[in-house]
Amino acid sequence: GAVVSQHPSWVICKSGTSVKIECRSLDFQATTMFWYRQFPKQSLMLMATSNEGSKATYEQGVEKDKFLINHASLTLSTLTVTSAHPEDSSFYICSARDSVDTQYFGPGTRLTVL
Amino acid sequence: SQQGEEDPQALSIQEGENATMNCSYKTSINNLQWYRQNSGRGLVHLILIRSNEREKHSGRLRVTLDTSKKSSSLLITASRAADTASYFCNAGNMLTFGGGTRLMVKP
Repeated sequence: GAVVSQHPSWVICKSGTSVKIECRSLDFQATTMFWYRQFPKQSLMLMATSNEGSKATYEQGVEKDKFLINHASLTLSTLTVTSAHPEDSSFYICSARDSVDTQYFGPGTRLTVL
Repeated sequence: SQQGEEDPQALSIQEGENATMNCSYKTSINNLQWYRQNSGRGLVHLILIRSNEREKHSGRLRVTLDTSKKSSSLLITASRAADTASYFCNAGNMLTFGGGTRLMVKP
């Protein structure tokens, strides 16, 4: 199957700093990628839909100024958590949809904000 | 609302036994997908079944789809300890997920 990578796999940062997470589709082009967050023992919660060449669509309750999304190319989307706080600590997962509507997920990024 | 709710929430079996988990959904779909998530990892795509298919196999996995009942099942045969994970279904390419089934296979 198709491969989606994320970088970094984990990051620890101080409160108030910004963290950028990259999501890449390695062997297919994805005009649309998705960002999720997942708290321990809970399901995935969709944060936003990342559209190549246009603004992201955010889910209700997700602050677009805090979670900046840039989908600069057909294989790369980035999520920047700005001015991170301890409550932003979570597992962030991206996914990309291929041409036959299958969603492939990245391995996730564990963010810990001290 | 979620398109795809898994049942049971948790399942514990012995290695070698079969594991069956179910998924129910609400609206008409073109396809349904099952994913596995190991603890602290991303989701791994297991299998996609289309609305015109009733059953599909992949290795030790068998998926059924009943569009009249809006339900699907995932059967893992001859389970192994490495199958321990959470399993999610996703119906109709929706972007929301249910709580999943947490499967534990005891050696």
